[in-house]
Amino acid sequence: DAKTTQPTSMDCAEGRAANLPCNHSTISGNEYVYWYRQIHSQGPQYIIHGLKNNETNEMASLIITEDRKSSTLILPHATLRDTAVYYCIVRLNNAGNMLTFGGGTRLMVKP
Amino acid sequence: DTAVSQTPKYLVTQMGNDKSIKCEQNLGHDTMYWYKQDSKKFLKIMFSYNNKELIINETVPNRFSPKSPDKAHLNLHINSLELGDSAVYFCASSLLGVNTEAFFGQGTRLTVV
Repeated sequence: DAKTTQPTSMDCAEGRAANLPCNHSTISGNEYVYWYRQIHSQGPQYIIHGLKNNETNEMASLIITEDRKSSTLILPHATLRDTAVYYCIVRLNNAGNMLTFGGGTRLMVKP
Repeated sequence: DTAVSQTPKYLVTQMGNDKSIKCEQNLGHDTMYWYKQDSKKFLKIMFSYNNKELIINETVPNRFSPKSPDKAHLNLHINSLELGDSAVYFCASSLLGVNTEAFFGQGTRLTVV
């Protein structure tokens, strides 16, 4: 699986959009970008994933650059409950879910 | 209903003991996993198992063994516990295949004293 690079931490004001970047410059053509988050003392939670196109669901939006070397997870209206560690993971979609977690980005949403 | 449940939530035990952590999923998934999260908060895959194949992370000591009585359960047995085994262990499940997401349990905090 390709390696990802994320900022260690970020702050966001409550109600504002949180934009979490991820670099994956060595991604190959058949690798997907997945985002999970881990709220304190809980298990990781799936957020969204994509291959080439931008994706949106009820939790977030995923913007993938045209060259696929980076992506941004967008939480459109961050709430205090979105405070968590966010993990960007690149993996082959036929490799099961043996996810390789990096250090992630610790997002702190502040009132 | 909890999708992936682990028991116990907390486990404190002495070095040298043998212990088990149970995991059950009610999602009808065919693949289950164990992950370890150490004190530095890094999550590492330990095992991936479905009814056809067990994949073991080569860094996992053979004191750790997964046991699956049926497709809905994947228990983790640990023999001769060591201080370094102290961590939070997460069970997860998914369907094996394309476009699938993993569902994680709430974790079991193991403390070896």
